[in-house]
Amino acid sequence: GAVVSQHPSWVICKSGTSVKIECRSLDFQATTMFWYRQFPKQSLMLMATSNEGSKATYEQGVEKDKFLINHASLTLSTLTVTSAHPEDSSFYICSARLHPDYEQYFGPGTRLTVT
Amino acid sequence: AQSVSQHNHHVILSEAASLELGCNYSYGGTVNLFWYVQYPGQHLQLLLKYFSGDPLVKGIKGFEAEFIKSKFSFNLRKPSVQWSDTAEYFCAVNAGTGGFKTIFGAGTRLFVKA
Repeated sequence: GAVVSQHPSWVICKSGTSVKIECRSLDFQATTMFWYRQFPKQSLMLMATSNEGSKATYEQGVEKDKFLINHASLTLSTLTVTSAHPEDSSFYICSARLHPDYEQYFGPGTRLTVT
Repeated sequence: AQSVSQHNHHVILSEAASLELGCNYSYGGTVNLFWYVQYPGQHLQLLLKYFSGDPLVKGIKGFEAEFIKSKFSFNLRKPSVQWSDTAEYFCAVNAGTGGFKTIFGAGTRLFVKA
């Protein structure tokens, strides 16, 4: 089946620094990728939707200047958390979707801890 | 705007008991419906999906779900649960007409006692 990877799986950074998380579709081309945030014992909160070659669409309440998303190719999307703060600590999950199939394939997630 | 509601946040069952998890969505148009599962320490996996056709869909591991359009529901069922079904289950909805995003319900944590 389709596989989505994320790197790193776990990262610790200091407050004020930036962190980049990569999401790759390993065996298929994903025209659309999604970034979610999952708080402990809570559901996935959609942060943004990105289509290859165009700007990401952010959900209401998500700061686009803080969470920079780049979908540079059909197999790679990156999420950069800029000037990270402790409240940005969370589990970030990406998913990718084959077009026109609407099923999403999820990555294993990246746990970000900001100290 | 789309929204997804899952009725039970926590469910505890004994092995061999039957399971039904409720899911309702709010969207008047064509929808694609999904159930995902997240086993402890693992990432989300697709259990089953409904795009069109037979409203009773069968998924992996003996799970099935029924789409009832008039009730805006897509409940997940399994006749006899196993300890290995302990996981978190998420209902998700995607607007079918060129929809670009999938909205998830809050999730239901299922614990099956051996």
